[in-house]
Amino acid sequence: QVQLVQSGAEVEKPGASVKVSCKASGYTFTRYSMHWLRQAPGQRLEWMGWINAGNGKTKFSQKSQGRVAFTTDTSASTGYMELSSLRSEDTAVYYCALYDISGYSAFDIWGQGTMVTVSS
Amino acid sequence: QSALTQPASVSGSPGQSITISCTGTSGDVGSYNLVSWYQQHPGKAPKLMIYEDTKRPSGVSNRFSGSKSGNTASLTISGLQVEDEADYYCCSYAGSGIVVFGGGTNLAVL
Repeated sequence: QVQLVQSGAEVEKPGASVKVSCKASGYTFTRYSMHWLRQAPGQRLEWMGWINAGNGKTKFSQKSQGRVAFTTDTSASTGYMELSSLRSEDTAVYYCALYDISGYSAFDIWGQGTMVTVSS
Repeated sequence: QSALTQPASVSGSPGQSITISCTGTSGDVGSYNLVSWYQQHPGKAPKLMIYEDTKRPSGVSNRFSGSKSGNTASLTISGLQVEDEADYYCCSYAGSGIVVFGGGTNLAVL
């Protein structure tokens, strides 16, 4: 079955960078875009953007543009989200998700989430 | 890319029905039949409950239904059960590859 498995929790200092991975299985990795979302403690879901795993094209939300990079390793069926110049407000659970892989025009498969804590 | 507007909280008793609204604009909710709804229990990843405004994925209870009128979408849960207590988020496609979420609604089943 289709599955996304994310890397473990991270603790980083302000100003540092963090890279979260999302390993996909159960489908042809290059046929679908991988989306990234985040959720600060007690806050709403926030869509960050996506990467087309077939051609590497990316799209970012206005808020994410500039400090976020999405990459993929197609040989490993893995997507990555790297966030630089970390600030305390970047403390959140980061999710990868697939849109419309099951025939539903929505986020129908989610990773388990990765907690990123930014603290000095 | 403004967030869609949802009530912060709603509540109901077991067996009752509740409706959660989700208001967007003519550029997102009002333009595309691509509103989806997600249920999120504490510490868990969101789960898809409704897609394309009104459709239910396989395995989701028929107590959950979606509707839309103009720039406002709604999620109705009938026959409330204790396990329905969760946060609910709406989401809409907003064109140009962009997606926007609502602020979330906490449902309490009293």
